Formats: sequence, structure tokens, C-alpha cells
Amino acid sequence: AQSVTQPDIHITVSEGASLELRCNYSYGATPYLFWYVQSPGQGLQLLLKYFSGDTLVQGIKGFEAEFKRSQSSFNLRKPSVHWSDAAEYFCAVGGDKLIFGTGTRLQVFP
Amino acid sequence: NAGVTQTPKFQVLKTGQSMTLQCAQDMNHEYMSWYRQDPGMGLRLIHYSVGAGITDQGEVPNGYNVSRSTTEDFPLRLLSAAPSQTSVYFCASSRIAGGGLYAEAFFGQGTRLTVV
Repeated sequence: AQSVTQPDIHITVSEGASLELRCNYSYGATPYLFWYVQSPGQGLQLLLKYFSGDTLVQGIKGFEAEFKRSQSSFNLRKPSVHWSDAAEYFCAVGGDKLIFGTGTRLQVFP
Repeated sequence: NAGVTQTPKFQVLKTGQSMTLQCAQDMNHEYMSWYRQDPGMGLRLIHYSVGAGITDQGEVPNGYNVSRSTTEDFPLRLLSAAPSQTSVYFCASSRIAGGGLYAEAFFGQGTRLTVV
């Protein structure tokens, strides 16, 4: 069965610190993988996507993610977090349907 | 290019009432879907469609009905609203990419539904 797990419900970091949000998936083959961001009261914006090829993908707003087939993971990273990055982040898996994780809420302290 | 258009933006229903959430896309995407978003539960798939005349159930289909008569439109019907259906609803569309997998989703702006 297709599934996505985001083990961290809530993460708090200081502005300027590095960030890693975890995502693990389950699918019978290599799926397409996505990270979305949602600011409070807003819709979802695509940060980046992995289809194939280079396992390190770059996205918007300085985010990147690394696909690790052996760990069934697609973790999101940012070297230096800005206060405007505070939002909810969703990992998604495109297999035979598009399934989202439960999200990680990021809080940024000045 | 309007993308995904979802209406209404807000709705209040009384228990037992029915209503239809409208969703239209102009990108000729094969795949369309409806999600509900509840705090701490992420986006849960209600129903999806891979083309006109083809629909299937997602994770939480009970109490909802869909149809896909055209590529562009994918309405979601609440047959008899219940307070448990209070949620934010998102419609999304995407193309089917290589290997039959689904590419990135484009979302509507969401509908905030309250059932009293």
C-alpha cells in the first residue's frame, strides 16, 4: 500500500539555524516525491519535486531535498532558516494516487 | 490561465443539508482529486479521478459523492452534511507523467466548510 510518514509533528528552530524535515514513504516502486509548503490560511505551494535522476533536488526559497532509495526517504533541508519560513510542510508521494503526509509545523524563533 | 478554480470559498451548512463543491481546471489534466484538511491529520484523499467517467475512492470517501463527466470538472457532493464534515476542502489536478505516476498537484484555493 502507498503511504507517507512525517514523523515530526512540530519543529522549532532559531532563525539562521539549519533545518531538516523528515519524510519516509512506502510504495512498491520508486514514486514521484514532492514537498509542499502551506502558510497559515493559505493554499499549498510546491517547493520541489523528484522524478528521477540526480537524487539531490533544488527547490524554491533555498530548499533542497535528497532522495535515498535505500531508506525510502525524501528529507527536506535548508542551510539557514528565515523567520518567513514558519509554515506547515507536507511531503507527498505520487504513485497510483497522490498521497500526503500529516505535515510538520515549523516554528522559527528570532 | 486560471489553473484550478474552486468554489465557494466559505460555506456554512446545517446538519442534513446537501451541497456541491465545484472544481474546474483548464490544464487538460487527467487526474483530479479532492482532499480534506483537518488539524494534525494533513490532507486526506476523499475521491479521485483519472479521467472522464472514471472515479475511485480515497482514504475517507464516506458521506461524499463525485462524478467526472468532463475532463475539466470534478464536483464534490455532500449528500447529508454532518458536523464531522467540518473541514477545509481542497481540489487538485495533475498530469499523469512517465510510468503512469502522478506529477505535481495544482491546488484550488480551498473551501472552508462549517456544518452546524
